[in-house]
Amino acid sequence: QKEVEQNSGPLSVPEGAIASLNCTYSDRGSQSFFWYRQYSGKSPELIMSIYSNGDKEDGRFTAQLNKASQYVSLLIRDSQPSDSATYLCAALTGGGNKLTFGTGTQLKVEL
Amino acid sequence: GAVVSQHPSRVICKSGTSVKIECRSLDFQATTMFWYRQFPKQSLMLMATSNEGSKATYEQGVEKDKFLINHASLTLSTLTVTSAHPEDSSFYICSAREGSGRETQYFGPGTRLLVL
Repeated sequence: QKEVEQNSGPLSVPEGAIASLNCTYSDRGSQSFFWYRQYSGKSPELIMSIYSNGDKEDGRFTAQLNKASQYVSLLIRDSQPSDSATYLCAALTGGGNKLTFGTGTQLKVEL
Repeated sequence: GAVVSQHPSRVICKSGTSVKIECRSLDFQATTMFWYRQFPKQSLMLMATSNEGSKATYEQGVEKDKFLINHASLTLSTLTVTSAHPEDSSFYICSAREGSGRETQYFGPGTRLLVL
């Protein structure tokens, strides 16, 4: 079992819709979680971090964490074509010292 | 957010040569730097973790004698790919963290290596 799992997609949503990206993790000791966006040929850029159960909102982005279910999600409201990218979920593992990434979900926002 | 730079952004070399990649934190002191490798359509794989002034910790399966890491200062880490082979061609990305644990990692722009 992979430590961090994501559906590879592609996930296609129309412009203006809500995109929902999901991630599960296996290490119950993980306490910190991150969502990164990666455009093709570029390095990842941080979108959000979340450490506590519940929702965390930042602009059009909402991260959700459920530690009991070992589940993290990212909602993107009012999706734009510029949101089209691969979204990487990462968990702090190894006793909190290193990031373990999922394989990423490719999001396509269509006009 | 904090800025991390990498140099060079792209390098082409002949098989058997060595290539050095630099990673710099420009506006903060990075106690820990990480080196990742990403093959096409795959996720980032951590190669090694380096703390300033100490030896790097390599992930399982990563040859420490082939991928030499030096973290001589709080703002600079280098990765040297020794005796490069075509299978080493990849996207190498560094990240830097100011504190420990929960502190955010900031990624450099990456170095694309092509070994002919």
